Amino acid sequence: AQSVSQHNHHVILSEAASLELGCNYSYGGTVNLFWYVQYPGQHLQLLLKYFSGDPLVKGIKGFEAEFIKSKFSFNLRKPSVQWSDTAEYFCAVKLYNTNAGKSTFGDGTTLTVKP
Amino acid sequence: NAGVTQTPKFQVLKTGQSMTLQCAQDMNHNSMYWYRQDPGMGLRLIYYSASEGTTDKGEVPNGYNVSRLNKREFSLRLESAAPSQTSVYFCASEKAGGAGGEQYFGPGTRLTVT
Repeated sequence: AQSVSQHNHHVILSEAASLELGCNYSYGGTVNLFWYVQYPGQHLQLLLKYFSGDPLVKGIKGFEAEFIKSKFSFNLRKPSVQWSDTAEYFCAVKLYNTNAGKSTFGDGTTLTVKP
Repeated sequence: NAGVTQTPKFQVLKTGQSMTLQCAQDMNHNSMYWYRQDPGMGLRLIYYSASEGTTDKGEVPNGYNVSRLNKREFSLRLESAAPSQTSVYFCASEKAGGAGGEQYFGPGTRLTVT
């Protein structure tokens, strides 16, 4: 069964610091990869996704993620965080090009940005 | 285009009461999901439906039942609520296909069982 591991449960940064959140998955086949963000009191929304092509994916609000197939990783990055980035971040994986089966989510990383 | 809607937004139940959480999507997605979210435990999948007429158990199905009424609607029923079911419940639908797979979430239902 596929699984997703997010290494950091809680990250605390000051504004303007750089961010990298780790995500590793265990599945040998072709996958679609996602990062979702959940702002306090809100529902999850898509931040960015990878399904093929350029392994460096750019998302909303200045976030990007790099897919490294050999490492089964899909780390999320942002060069300079803002207080408004305080949220919980979830990595997810789904088998490529299938309408069956389910997506698998990591346990989430809580990011706190201090002003 | 409302996306994914859920009702109710808040609910308080007494132990042993039953209720149904409603979810509907207007994006013509095949797959729909029910999750619960508890502090420090991330999202846990309760049930999902890959297409109209099919449902499958997720990792925490005990105490819940689901109905995929049609392509748009996917309801979650608690037959006899327990305090352990106090949680925030999210419904999601999923865009299918090779370039798809992303999920669209509803606003959530905050359920308290006393």
